Amino acid sequence: QKEVEQDPGPLSVPEGAIVSLNCTYSNSAFQYFMWYRQYSRKGPELLMYTYSSGNKEDGRFTAQVDKSSKYISLFIRDSQPSDSATYLCAMTELYNFNKFYFGSGTKLNVKP
Amino acid sequence: DAGVIQSPRHEVTEMGQEVTLRCKPISGHDYLFWYRQTMMRGLELLIYFNNNVPIDDSGMPEDRFSAKMPNASFSTLKIQPSEPRDSAVYFCASSLDPLDRGDYNSPLHFGNGTRLTVT
Repeated sequence: QKEVEQDPGPLSVPEGAIVSLNCTYSNSAFQYFMWYRQYSRKGPELLMYTYSSGNKEDGRFTAQVDKSSKYISLFIRDSQPSDSATYLCAMTELYNFNKFYFGSGTKLNVKP
Repeated sequence: DAGVIQSPRHEVTEMGQEVTLRCKPISGHDYLFWYRQTMMRGLELLIYFNNNVPIDDSGMPEDRFSAKMPNASFSTLKIQPSEPRDSAVYFCASSLDPLDRGDYNSPLHFGNGTRLTVT
């Protein structure tokens, strides 16, 4: 079993839709949770990160962590065609923060 | 800052040839990482350096792979001899020391990768 599981998609939604992207994990030692966005032919770029459980909001993006369920989510409100990309979740342990565990990525397509 | 710079962007080579991938991290970053991305396996950490010293190379697939960081502004990943199964996108990433940043987590800054095709 992989440490981090993520549905590869693709996920296709109309412009303006609310998008929900999710990852599950098995290692209860994970404390930092990140979402990276990767456009085609580019490297991943950090979108958001949260520490431990709870919610974090940044503009149209909200990251949620539920440590009891080992489940993290990224919500995108009012999705735009420019949000079309692959979204990768990533996580690290508290004191081993140089070892990032990545999900396989979910490909999102927002149709105009 | 120009970000993490990788070269070449694309590399096509024949099986058995030596391949050298290059990376210039963001100035001032203490950590440098080499990742490989494939459809089947996603992003895999190959090796990472701290202050030019290799810390963890447990992800290097086999002895055909080697990585060096002769100074703070340059790193190479070499594959010799290359095989078709090495075909992938290779990313270099750098980050600050989390303790220097006053935060225990420091995001990775990725380059745009080198797309390697071995025929």
